[in-house]
Amino acid sequence: GAVVSQHPSRVICKSGTSVKIECRSLDFQATTMFWYRQFPKKSLMLMATSNEGSKATYEQGVEKDKFLINHASLTLSTLTVTSAHPEDSSFYICSASRTDEQYFGPGTRLTVT
Amino acid sequence: QKEVEQNSGPLSVPEGAIASLNCTYSDRGSQSFFWYRQYSGKSPELIMSIYSNGDKEDGRFTAQLNKASQYVSLLIRDSQPSDSATYLCAVPSNSGYSTLTFGKGTMLLVS
Repeated sequence: GAVVSQHPSRVICKSGTSVKIECRSLDFQATTMFWYRQFPKKSLMLMATSNEGSKATYEQGVEKDKFLINHASLTLSTLTVTSAHPEDSSFYICSASRTDEQYFGPGTRLTVT
Repeated sequence: QKEVEQNSGPLSVPEGAIASLNCTYSDRGSQSFFWYRQYSGKSPELIMSIYSNGDKEDGRFTAQLNKASQYVSLLIRDSQPSDSATYLCAVPSNSGYSTLTFGKGTMLLVS
C-alpha cells in the first residue's frame, strides 16, 4: 500500500512554455500533498503544501504565480510550472501523507532548453 | 524552526558489516521520527518510522530512539552494496499538515 505516482517522469520543454506535472495517490486518500524540488547533489527543498479543496501554502521564496498548484481531489494534485526557464530545470517530487507518514512519488525530471 | 542534523558522510562500511546512521533533532516535543532512503537520481522511500523510545526492528533495519538525548539512529545489519544510498532523517515540523523537516542526509557507501 501507500503508492504515489507522478506523470510525466521526464519532460523537456522550451523556455517560455508551461509544464504540468500530476501526482496521484493510488491506493489511499491523501488530504495533504507536498511538492519538493531537488537540484543535483542538494537537499530536498519543500516548495508548497497542498490541501484538497483549498489554496496551497507556499514556502518562502517560492513564487506562487509561477508554480501553480491545484489539489482537485483526495488523490490528485498538479503542479504547473508556468513560463519555464532554464533555471527551473530540476527534479520535482511530490509526496502524499497518510496519517503522519509521507510517501513520495518517483519524481519528474524537468529540463528547460 | 525545528532542526534535524545528520553527518553528511560519506560513511563507508565493508559488505556484511553493520552501518550506523545517526540523527539529532532540536525539538524535545517531537513524537514521531522517520528514516528515508534515497538512491542517486531517485525519490526518497520511507523505510522506517518510530514513535517510542527504544528499538524497532524490520528485517535488517533497526531504528533506535532516545528522546531524552534527542537522537534517533538507524542500524543496517549485514550491509549490502545495494544499501549504498543517502539516508534522510525526518521529524514533523511545526507547520502542521504532516509537514516534515528533513536532515541533509548521510551518504552510505557499502563496498
